[in-house]
Amino acid sequence: AQSVAQPEDQVNVAEGNPLTVKCTYSVSGNPYLFWYVQYPNRGLQFLLKYITGDNLVKGSYGFEAEFNKSQTSFHLKKPSALVSDSALYFCAVREDQAGTALIFGKGTTLSVSS
Amino acid sequence: EPEVTQTPSHQVTQMGQEVILRCVPISNHLYFYWYRQILGQKVEFLVSFYNNEISEKSEIFDDQFSVERPDGSNFTLKIRSTKLEDSAMYFCASSATSAPGELFFGEGSRLTVL
Repeated sequence: AQSVAQPEDQVNVAEGNPLTVKCTYSVSGNPYLFWYVQYPNRGLQFLLKYITGDNLVKGSYGFEAEFNKSQTSFHLKKPSALVSDSALYFCAVREDQAGTALIFGKGTTLSVSS
Repeated sequence: EPEVTQTPSHQVTQMGQEVILRCVPISNHLYFYWYRQILGQKVEFLVSFYNNEISEKSEIFDDQFSVERPDGSNFTLKIRSTKLEDSAMYFCASSATSAPGELFFGEGSRLTVL
């Protein structure tokens, strides 16, 4: 069965500092990995995805994520955080050959202070 | 920019009542999904729908739940006899293809069962 773990409920970082939001996954086959962001009272918005190819993928708003197969991780990163990045971040996985639905983690709240 | 729209934004109902949540997916999309998010918990997959039939469903999606696409534009989720534990935010999503691309989410319908 597919699963995603986000070990931190909350990440706090000062504006201008780098941020990392952690995600690990478990699948039987090859993973397709995604990050979504949710602002208050809004739906989930796509940030980036890893399907194949380069392990470092770049997405919206300056975010990037690194796929690490040996550690089964897909951590979200940004070199310099903004207060406006404060939101709830979800990692998701889909296993190839296992349908089209995404399986989400429980989410990590990112709080960026000025 | 095309978007997924959901109605109602908030519904309060009594336990045992039937509820229908409505979604209008992006017009050229072919794959449709319902997810739910119980307050403070992760986003959980309920069901996916393609070519007028359910393609996948989770253990949560029991006989109390049903989906249909009655008129080629709306995609509905019906809960036949609501329980207290059905209280959650319900998200509709759609995608253009079965390829591992992004899902586009609506802003959600908050269901409160009293």
